[in-house]
Amino acid sequence: AQTVTQSQPEMSVQEAETVTLSCTYDTSESDYYLFWYKQPPSRQMILVIRQEAYKQQNATENRFSVNFQKAAKSFSLKISDSQLGDAAMYFCAYSHSMTQGGSEKLVFGKGTKLTVNP
Amino acid sequence: NAGVTQTPKFRILKIGQSMTLQCTQDMNHNYMYWYRQDPGMGLKLIYYSVGAGITDKGEVPNGYNVSRSTTEDFPLRLELAAPSQTSVYFCASKWGGTSGHNEQFFGPGTRLTVL
Repeated sequence: AQTVTQSQPEMSVQEAETVTLSCTYDTSESDYYLFWYKQPPSRQMILVIRQEAYKQQNATENRFSVNFQKAAKSFSLKISDSQLGDAAMYFCAYSHSMTQGGSEKLVFGKGTKLTVNP
Repeated sequence: NAGVTQTPKFRILKIGQSMTLQCTQDMNHNYMYWYRQDPGMGLKLIYYSVGAGITDKGEVPNGYNVSRSTTEDFPLRLELAAPSQTSVYFCASKWGGTSGHNEQFFGPGTRLTVL
């Protein structure tokens, strides 16, 4: 079974600085998807960024980028120019490839609480 | 589009009571999911459905039931509420298959307390 591990329960960053959140995963599959979701105090789950395992290029979305190391099974999230609105829980999640059928469920880590200090 | 909607937003149940959590999506997604989020934890899959009339168990199905009579609706039923079912429940949907980006869209969640 796939597992996702986030080893940093809490992180803090100064406004305008850069922070990196860590995530490792375990899978025997070669084709899969990885995601970072943001959960603010409102509880809404918001997709931040996604990465297809077959793509070597790291995904970027504005101030958010990932460092995807497939061999090491590592998928970290870098937030640049941190803003107060970035404060939230961040969850790393795994899903197997759509071509494999089944539930295509998301497997989540336990999350990292990010605090942004003004 | 409203996306994924859930009702109610909050509910307090007594032990042994039953209730149904409602979930509706208007994106014509074929896949729908129910997750629960316990304090300090990530989400865990309760049940899922790959289309109307088809449902299957996830990681933590005990104490729950689901049905999927239409593409839009995927209600979650708690028959005999127990304190262990105190949690936040999320419904999600996606377009399953070989197209798209495999993204799941989440509802706003239902906070359930069983006393």
